Parts: sequence; C-alpha cells; structure tokens
Amino acid sequence: KAGVTQTPRYLIKTRGQQVTLSCSPISGHRSVSWYQQTPGQGLQFLFEYFSETQRNKGNFPGRFSGRQFSNSRSEMNVSTLELGDSALYLCASSATPSGNAETQYFGPGTRLLVL
Amino acid sequence: TQLLEQSPQFLSIQEGENLTVYCNSSSVFSSLQWYRQEPGEGPVLLVTVVTGGEVKKLKRLTFQFGDARKDSSLHITAAQPGDTGLYLCAGVGTSGSRLTFGEGTQLTVNP
Repeated sequence: KAGVTQTPRYLIKTRGQQVTLSCSPISGHRSVSWYQQTPGQGLQFLFEYFSETQRNKGNFPGRFSGRQFSNSRSEMNVSTLELGDSALYLCASSATPSGNAETQYFGPGTRLLVL
Repeated sequence: TQLLEQSPQFLSIQEGENLTVYCNSSSVFSSLQWYRQEPGEGPVLLVTVVTGGEVKKLKRLTFQFGDARKDSSLHITAAQPGDTGLYLCAGVGTSGSRLTFGEGTQLTVNP
C-alpha cells in the first residue's frame, strides 16, 4: 500500500498570501487529521475529517480551514499568512476516527516558510 | 485541554548508554502512544499502551504505562546512533477525543 502523501513538500510564501496544502491518505482510510509542528510548540492539532465531515477542531484562528473530498483526500487552507504560520504541516490518516486509538499514519509533511 | 509534558526536552548520550524519557500529565488517558520522528519525515508509531501498569518491549525499547494511566515512560537500553530522533508521546482522552501530543524529546546518540 502506498503511504500518506502530501504536496507540496516545500513552500515559500509572503505575509498576506494564502496557501493550500494537500493530503492523500492511505487507500481505504477515511479519517484525515492535520497538525502544525513548530520547534517551540510541538505538534498542535488543527482539525480532523472523517467521511467528508469535520469531526474535531483545534484552537486555531478561522484563517485555518480544511475540507475532505469524497475520495478521502483532504486539503487545508491558510489565508492571510503570518510569519508565525511558518511550520511543518503534517497530515495523518487512519481507517477510523483518531479517538479510537487506531494507528495514525503520518505523511512526510509540507514545510511552509512565510517571509 | 489535556496536556502532556515530556522530559527531558533534549538528551545527548554516548552509544551504549541507557536512557529514560518521561511523559506526564494530570489527566487520565484511555491509551497512550509513542512515536519516533526523523528529520524530513512524519512521526512513526512505535507502540500503543492501553492498560494501567502495562509494559511493552520492542527490542531494546521498553514502554510503560502508569498505573493511573496519567504517565508513561520509554526506556532505551544500550542506545545506538540509529536511535537518534525526536520521540513523541501522544494520549487519547477518556472521552475518545483526538490525540494530544507532548512536545517531544530530541535524542542524539553519539558514536
């Protein structure tokens, strides 16, 4: 089985721009979770989608949004980028929602740099 | 919000030494997971512990879940350079909510 893929792997944007990141889960997985990873804050949960519905949301401003398509692929969007949004954005997929302690498989992440 | 505190944050040791990483919380978790992350990659699940007092071994790695399910430890015996990486603990709340991650322990094993 192919693993979780994320595109693009690296991205450079400037303040005020918006960005869309994509995540393709493992085939058959219906749950996709997004995390922001920074050196100071560790992994912070953004949101989780299961069967096209947002199931959980972390404490991030409304500039961060996401969606999931019928094929389980997910996108996250960040509008009006700020310098502090520079981070590694990770997505993880699992067959069932993450609260079931099911194994989550992480992608390699998208490294976003905001200048 | 359930918080997980990991200690130490950084650890640099020589090959062959033993080490222990701790993951503590004031909250009870229904299960706890340990991940290892290498540069340029996402975290990879090492183990899930579910029962209070549970001990699991993975070669030279020993994982323990506290009796009260509020804390966990990871012990590595005779560390090797290949063990270098960021070790993360993550807990699932008793309400079945999402994973909460600790900040991680950056381990460097020098040859």
